[in-house]
Amino acid sequence: GAVVSQHPSRVICKSGTSVKIECRSLDFQATTMFWYRQFPKQSLMLMATSNEGSKATYEQGVEKDKFLINHASLTLSTLTVTSAHPEDSSFYICSARGTDRALFFGSGTQLSVL
Amino acid sequence: AQSVTQLDSQVPVFEEAPVELRCNYSSSVSVYLFWYVQYPNQGLQLLLKYLSGSTLVESINGFEAEFNKSQTSFHLRKPSVHISDTAEYFCAVSVGGDTGRRALTFGSGTRLQVQP
Repeated sequence: GAVVSQHPSRVICKSGTSVKIECRSLDFQATTMFWYRQFPKQSLMLMATSNEGSKATYEQGVEKDKFLINHASLTLSTLTVTSAHPEDSSFYICSARGTDRALFFGSGTQLSVL
Repeated sequence: AQSVTQLDSQVPVFEEAPVELRCNYSSSVSVYLFWYVQYPNQGLQLLLKYLSGSTLVESINGFEAEFNKSQTSFHLRKPSVHISDTAEYFCAVSVGGDTGRRALTFGSGTRLQVQP
């Protein structure tokens, strides 16, 4: 099946620093990738839709200047959490759609901001 | 807009017993339906999906789900669970007719706890 690779799996950073998370589709091209956020014991909430070669589409309430998304190629999308604060600590998951409409997910990134 | 409801936040069950995880959705248009599983400390994995055709879909590890349009449900079932099935299960919907650019809307998840 399709594979989506996400790195890093875990990152701990100081408040005020920026963190970049990469999401790669390894064996298929993904014109669209999605970024989700999952708080403990809660479901996934869509943050933004990343479109190759164009600006990302953000969900209501998600700060586009804080969560920078770049989709420079058909196999890579990055999410940069700028000036991270403790309230940004969460589990971030990317996904990309395969040819059969199912979404394939990365393994997630646990961000802890101290 | 579509929405997904998973009424049971936790389902405790003994090993080898049957289980049903409930999922109901609301949408004014046709939908594609999915079940994802999240094992402890891991990301999401696709368990099974309904796109079209037969309303009963099966996974390779014994789970099945039936799309019921009249009841707007997509309940997940397994006749005999194992300890290894302990995980969080998410039901999700994607609006039909999409061009591949639509995200999924997830339910709140159901924690399946299989006890020996």
